[in-house]
Amino acid sequence: KNQVEQSPQSLIILEGKNCTLQCNYTVSPFSNLRWYKQDTGRGPVSLTIMTFSENTKSNGRYTATLDADTKQSSLHITASQLSDSASYICVVTRTNSGYALNFGKGTSLLVTP
Amino acid sequence: GAVVSQHPSWVICKSGTSVKIECRSLDFQATTMFWYRQFPKQSLMLMATSNEGSKATYEQGVEKDKFLINHASLTLSTLTVTSAHPEDSSFYICSALAGGSSYNEQFFGPGTRLTVL
Repeated sequence: KNQVEQSPQSLIILEGKNCTLQCNYTVSPFSNLRWYKQDTGRGPVSLTIMTFSENTKSNGRYTATLDADTKQSSLHITASQLSDSASYICVVTRTNSGYALNFGKGTSLLVTP
Repeated sequence: GAVVSQHPSWVICKSGTSVKIECRSLDFQATTMFWYRQFPKQSLMLMATSNEGSKATYEQGVEKDKFLINHASLTLSTLTVTSAHPEDSSFYICSALAGGSSYNEQFFGPGTRLTVL
């Protein structure tokens, strides 16, 4: 079954601290993995997209890693800001599956002053 | 980046009425758009794939006669929730496929909050 599991389910950190979110998947055959940020009451916004051959990609304070062998990805947020409070969703696509996206349930991050 | 808008951003309606939600790609043409539904603290669930000039493809369990989709132009898809009931209250999000993207990237709209009384 093509599943995407994220951990932790929720996380609270102090402003300025770093954090790492995890994503494990069983989706196969793998095409690419995406991390999205979804603010409350808004649509998801893409942070990073990685293919099989990429093992790290950065977007400002966000750095995603991918280990295609172990089917794991992480999203590291550096020097967190209050505006980072949101849900972070891991999405994995399969090859030859059209445009279907396999969504994780997301990690809810709260950054407090 | 590509921008997708939705209108309205929120709507409250009485049970039994119909509600239309618009999804527009503002700076690119999208032959394919998608409609998702998201319940609180849940992930997005694909409802249907909307193709310009042809009938939408619905996911299993989604009633096509209740959720009418029209994709009449390359920049506009509409979702009409017919005879809405309280259980249809949800957050509806559309996305548009950006042609030419090597990742088949979908750009999401900001969502529409539907509340049925």
